[in-house]
Amino acid sequence: GNSVTQMEGPVTLSEEAFLTINCTYTATGYPSLFWYVQYPGEGLQLLLKATKADDKGSNKGFEATYRKETTSFHLEKGSVQVSDSAVYFCALTLFSGGYNKLIFGAGTRLAVHP
Amino acid sequence: DTGVSQDPRHKITKRGQNVTFRCDPISEHNRLYWYRQTLGQGPEFLTYFQNEAQLEKSRLLSDRFSAERPKGSFSTLEIQRTEQGDSAMYLCASSSRPFSTDTQYFGPGTRLTVL
Repeated sequence: GNSVTQMEGPVTLSEEAFLTINCTYTATGYPSLFWYVQYPGEGLQLLLKATKADDKGSNKGFEATYRKETTSFHLEKGSVQVSDSAVYFCALTLFSGGYNKLIFGAGTRLAVHP
Repeated sequence: DTGVSQDPRHKITKRGQNVTFRCDPISEHNRLYWYRQTLGQGPEFLTYFQNEAQLEKSRLLSDRFSAERPKGSFSTLEIQRTEQGDSAMYLCASSSRPFSTDTQYFGPGTRLTVL
């Protein structure tokens, strides 16, 4: 079946540290891949997406590259800030039956301290 | 331009009571999704509407759950005879196109606590 696996948290970093959150997927067909972020007390927000192999999504200093050969979509940021503290969800969609439901990983909590 | 809105934001109820949640999608979006998120987990798909038609329901949606989208605008999700296992965050999302490349925009969610 289709699924997403992401690294368990929490991930605790100091400000300005390098961030990697691993995400791998299993899918039949050719999924689109997404990273959503959930800040405390808020809803899910799209962070970035990539729709085909070798595409790189980027936003707010975050990047992720769609790697078909390793079925991965790891999230990276060169220098994290305290304001990046949130839960990050990797997700995929597959167009099937006329619609595209999102399949999420379990989420990775990031805590950045000064 | 307003985003997806949900009401109420929080609901506390006693086991066995019925509850109803409302979702207002982005105005030009004709596709609407409901998801459920339990503590420490990612959201899981519940159901999908294209305009007023409910086209897909997850096995997670037992017969105590019913969703509607009259006139293809707002949607409601009702849970009858609530159980403690129904405690979760209920998320609504909308999109304008069905393609896998399209983005779903989420509301803030309704947090349900069943005592």
